[in-house]
Amino acid sequence: EAQVTQNPRYLITVTGKKLTVTCSQNMNHEYMSWYRQDPGLGLRQIYYSMNVEVTDKGDVPEGYKVSRKEKRNFPLILESPSPNQTSLYFCASSFNSNQPQHFGDGTRLSIL
Amino acid sequence: GQQVMQIPQYQHVQEGEDFTTYCNSSTTLSNIQWYKQRPGGHPVFLIQLVKSGEVKKQKRLTFQFGEAKKNSSLHITATQTTDVGTYFCAGDADSNYQLIWGAGTKLIIKP
Repeated sequence: EAQVTQNPRYLITVTGKKLTVTCSQNMNHEYMSWYRQDPGLGLRQIYYSMNVEVTDKGDVPEGYKVSRKEKRNFPLILESPSPNQTSLYFCASSFNSNQPQHFGDGTRLSIL
Repeated sequence: GQQVMQIPQYQHVQEGEDFTTYCNSSTTLSNIQWYKQRPGGHPVFLIQLVKSGEVKKQKRLTFQFGEAKKNSSLHITATQTTDVGTYFCAGDADSNYQLIWGAGTKLIIKP
């Protein structure tokens, strides 16, 4: 089954404790992206990757890192999480940047 | 910067009434996509419009892309409880090849 898999689905943690949210897709998509969703603000792009080893900042990259060492994986790293990063996060993938995107089920992060 | 404005933010309708959401872009778009996010779910792709003036239908849903390729609308006829959710538009402006997302319209069915 074609899918985008994110883990964990839920996480409650404390300020400053490094965390990684994993994202994996099995559709051989070139393009992957991370979004955060906050009430009233829609989907805001954090980082994206056009292909392996190619990543770029989205609209709200501060406080986040990503890597794209393999085509299927695109982890999101919060080196020193802060409460303003409490949000719902989605990973998405597509054949290229302007094609329909497939989303993971989301990761709800709470940073205390 | 490039923006896609989506209105309204919320719409309350009685079941059976129609619903419309609108997206307006500050720049010409090469295509526009529509997604639906059910409560507690993730966005799911509905349709992509590419041509100027294009109209596409999916059962009770009608999607339009404006002649100038700067605006789009989604109209749902005779809403049902299964239509509840947030509808997003996302447009691709040729200049940076990234989708620009509207803020979404939340459809609420009044009991």
